[in-house]
Amino acid sequence: AQTVTQSQPEMSVQEAETVTLSCTYDTSESDYYLFWYKQPPSRQMILVIRQEAYKQQNATENRFSVNFQKAAKSFSLKISDSQLGDAAMYFCAYRSSAVLFSGAGSYQLTFGKGTKLSVIP
Amino acid sequence: DAGVIQSPRHEVTEMGQEVTLRCKPISGHNSLFWYRQTMMRGLELLIYFNNNVPIDDSGMPEDRFSAKMPNASFSTLKIQPSEPRDSAVYFCASSTGQGEKEQYFGPGTRLTVT
Repeated sequence: AQTVTQSQPEMSVQEAETVTLSCTYDTSESDYYLFWYKQPPSRQMILVIRQEAYKQQNATENRFSVNFQKAAKSFSLKISDSQLGDAAMYFCAYRSSAVLFSGAGSYQLTFGKGTKLSVIP
Repeated sequence: DAGVIQSPRHEVTEMGQEVTLRCKPISGHNSLFWYRQTMMRGLELLIYFNNNVPIDDSGMPEDRFSAKMPNASFSTLKIQPSEPRDSAVYFCASSTGQGEKEQYFGPGTRLTVT
C-alpha cells in the first residue's frame, strides 16, 4: 500500500517570502499522480497543483511550484511571494494508476497528515 | 458553475440515531467519492462510484455505513446506528472519466455524534 508522509506538522512564513512544504511517499509503482490540496478554515479542499510521475518537468501554477524527485520519492511544494490568503492546511496526495480487479481504475487519493501553514503579516 | 454540493453542513445527533449525508456532484461528472477526515486518521476514502455503480467500497468501516447513488446527480452516505467515533468531517468529491481526472471536493459535512 502507498503511504504519504508530511514531516512538518506546522510551518510559518513571512508575507511576501517563500516557503517550501515537504512530502515524501512510498510506492512500488512507476506510474502515478501526485497532488497538493489546500484546506483553508472553511474546510473546502482546493486543488493547488498536480504532477504526473512520467513527466520530468516540475509543475507550476502561478506562485506555486513543485520539486518532484522521482528517485527519491519526494514531492515538495514551493509557495513564492506568500500571501495572507495562503494560510491553510496543505495536504500532499498520491493517486495510483493501478487497475482494480473489476477493470476500473483505483482512483483513490492517499493523503498525508497535512502541514498547517501560517502567514505572518 | 456550481461545485459539489453537500448537505447538511453540520449535523449533531445522538448515539444510536440514523444519519444521512447528501451529495450532489458537479454536473457531467460521473465519478463520485466519499471521504472521511479525522484528526487521528486524516483523510480516508470510504467509497468510490463510477457511473452510479460502487467500484471500491473497501474503505467503508463497517456494516453501519452504507452509500447509494440512485442517479448521476445524487448520492447518500448513511450511518445507522451512529456512534461517537463516527464524529468527523465527511467530504464528497467528483470527477470526470473513470475518476482519473482531478477530484473536486464539496465543502464537507461536520458530523458530531454525542
